[in-house]
Amino acid sequence: AQKVTQAQTEISVVEKEDVTLDCVYETRDTTYYLFWYKQPPSGELVFLIRRNSFDEQNEISGRYSWNFQKSTSSFNFTITASQVVDSAVYFCALSGGFGGGKLIFGQGTELSVKP
Amino acid sequence: DTAVSQTPKYLVTQMGNDKSIKCEQNLGHDTMYWYKQDSKKFLKIMFSYNNKELIINETVPNRFSPKSPDKAHLNLHINSLELGDSAVYFCASSHGTSGGEETQYFGPGTRLLVL
Repeated sequence: AQKVTQAQTEISVVEKEDVTLDCVYETRDTTYYLFWYKQPPSGELVFLIRRNSFDEQNEISGRYSWNFQKSTSSFNFTITASQVVDSAVYFCALSGGFGGGKLIFGQGTELSVKP
Repeated sequence: DTAVSQTPKYLVTQMGNDKSIKCEQNLGHDTMYWYKQDSKKFLKIMFSYNNKELIINETVPNRFSPKSPDKAHLNLHINSLELGDSAVYFCASSHGTSGGEETQYFGPGTRLLVL
């Protein structure tokens, strides 16, 4: 079965701290895709990154970085020097050949960055 | 220049009523989706359409009926609304479905409250 687990329900940090959001996935597909989305308090879902199963290179975009490790079925997201504007719910999601493009979402991690 | 738009943004209605939510995308995408986000923020796919054809139909009550008049529009009609239908409904679109590699872009969501 396809599944995404975000074990951290809520994380609270103080501004400028680094924070890592964990994501563990399960799939039997050899080709699959992993995503992170951000849902700020305003409610919309904002796409952050997509990774395919054949590309294990880490990615960095400004203060954001992602670590994909197939050996541990994890796709973790780190925010460096967090800011109050990073406060949001972050979702990890999985798609693949199993479902015609449907995204399987994790439960989400609510990040609160305090000044 | 809204990419994926939904109307209305908020919908408050009585149990038993019938209501519709409209979705439009101007990204030129072929595939559109409906997701439901419950009160615990869990996101789950309901339907997807590719070029006006139904691709995904998850275990959703028959009271929910999607309609795609063209590939830029996917509307959601809900009959005989129940309290449990209260949720945020998100529309999304992507270039295609294939093996799930296409990034899905989400609308702002429609917050439905059934009283």
